[in-house]
Amino acid sequence: EAGVTQFPSHSVIEKGQTVTLRCDPISGHDNLYWYRRVMGKEIKFLLHFVKESKQDESGMPNNRFLAERTGGTYSTLKVQPAELEDSGVYFCASSQGQGSTDTQYFGPGTRLTVL
Amino acid sequence: AQKVTQAQTEISVVEKEDVTLDCVYETRDTTYYLFWYKQPPSGELVFLIRRNSFDEQNEISGRYSWNFQKSTSSFNFTITASQVVDSAVYFCALSEWTGTASKLTFGTGTRLQVTL
Repeated sequence: EAGVTQFPSHSVIEKGQTVTLRCDPISGHDNLYWYRRVMGKEIKFLLHFVKESKQDESGMPNNRFLAERTGGTYSTLKVQPAELEDSGVYFCASSQGQGSTDTQYFGPGTRLTVL
Repeated sequence: AQKVTQAQTEISVVEKEDVTLDCVYETRDTTYYLFWYKQPPSGELVFLIRRNSFDEQNEISGRYSWNFQKSTSSFNFTITASQVVDSAVYFCALSEWTGTASKLTFGTGTRLQVTL
């Protein structure tokens, strides 16, 4: 069974440009999460989808970030326009169950560098 | 608010030594889950273990063991007879069920370097 995949693995863009990150969850997983690790700090929650619906986007930094999950399969996270402080590693995770007993399985992350 | 503290930023050991990675957490929830993830140089976060707050039994899996002590809010991870392949960043995490989402709160990670 394939794990969570993310594309690209690394993106280098200039300040003001737009970048779109993609996450493909494990097949059959309804829950999809985005997290971010900035500058060696802790990994922080961004948002959570159940199928195509956003359940919790309380961790999204600001309105320059837009996440979608059309059709309840893969998800995209767009940053527009990118700022220097957006640099970091963006992780996607998926889980199968419901509620607090979920185990989230993570992808390899996308390293975003904004110059 | 939930918090996870991994006070050890980096640990270096020689192969075959035992090493313990500390994790201390704060939560007001009575039911919660604790996790350990491993991040090898390839970058992905690999799930190692999930522990329910009602289950304080220690767990052993091969060379790995976990000591959960609710009285001290700690969930420490011990690697016995460490190997070079154990070199990675290890993250402790605490789940929070918000009613709609199961968020993970992570510590800052402990980088383990195992040398020959």
